[in-house]
Amino acid sequence: NAGVTQTPKFQVLKTGQSMTLQCAQDMNHNSMYWYRQDPGMGLRLIYYSASEGTTDKGEVPNGYNVSRLNKREFSLRLESAAPSQTSVYFCASSLQRRREAFFGQGTRLTVV
Amino acid sequence: GQQLNQSPQSMFIQEGEDVSMNCTSSSIFNTWLWYKQDPGEGPVLLIALYKAGELTSNGRLTAQFGITRKDSFLNISASIPSDVGIYFCAGQLGGNTPLVFGKGTRLSVIA
Repeated sequence: NAGVTQTPKFQVLKTGQSMTLQCAQDMNHNSMYWYRQDPGMGLRLIYYSASEGTTDKGEVPNGYNVSRLNKREFSLRLESAAPSQTSVYFCASSLQRRREAFFGQGTRLTVV
Repeated sequence: GQQLNQSPQSMFIQEGEDVSMNCTSSSIFNTWLWYKQDPGEGPVLLIALYKAGELTSNGRLTAQFGITRKDSFLNISASIPSDVGIYFCAGQLGGNTPLVFGKGTRLSVIA
């Protein structure tokens, strides 16, 4: 089993460009999450989807949109990238009634 | 948003030493989790705690869910070089609320 798979692993964008980060899980989990990790800031929640068909804002949602495409896939879109969005992005998933979240390997995004 | 205060921020220890780190919050949590992140990787779950007072071990790692439900600690005994990484605590308030993470403890082990 692959667990949680994120693509791409690395990306460089110019300010104003758009892109979509993809995430897929094969563990039949209900809930999926997008976090960003910045030095000294820990993991901050951007958006989450408690179950298929629902999405909710997290702590730092501005500048992002998400789509829960189906139970397996949860994408994160940057419509107009800004240098402040330079970060490492992690997707995670969990069973709805259990709290343990399992993480992908991350996407390292640089906006210049 | 909710804040978890994780300490220390970083530690430099000699191989073989024991390590202790903790997380505190002003809120009551139903679940405490401890993760480890290796360089260039995503966090990996080490230990999950679900009951106040619960003490759980995973090899050389031991974690406890504080009886006030506002804190948790992680101990690593007899550290080895592969223990190097960032350790995160995470808590859940209840229901389907997402996890809240501490800012991490960066552990360096000197051989």
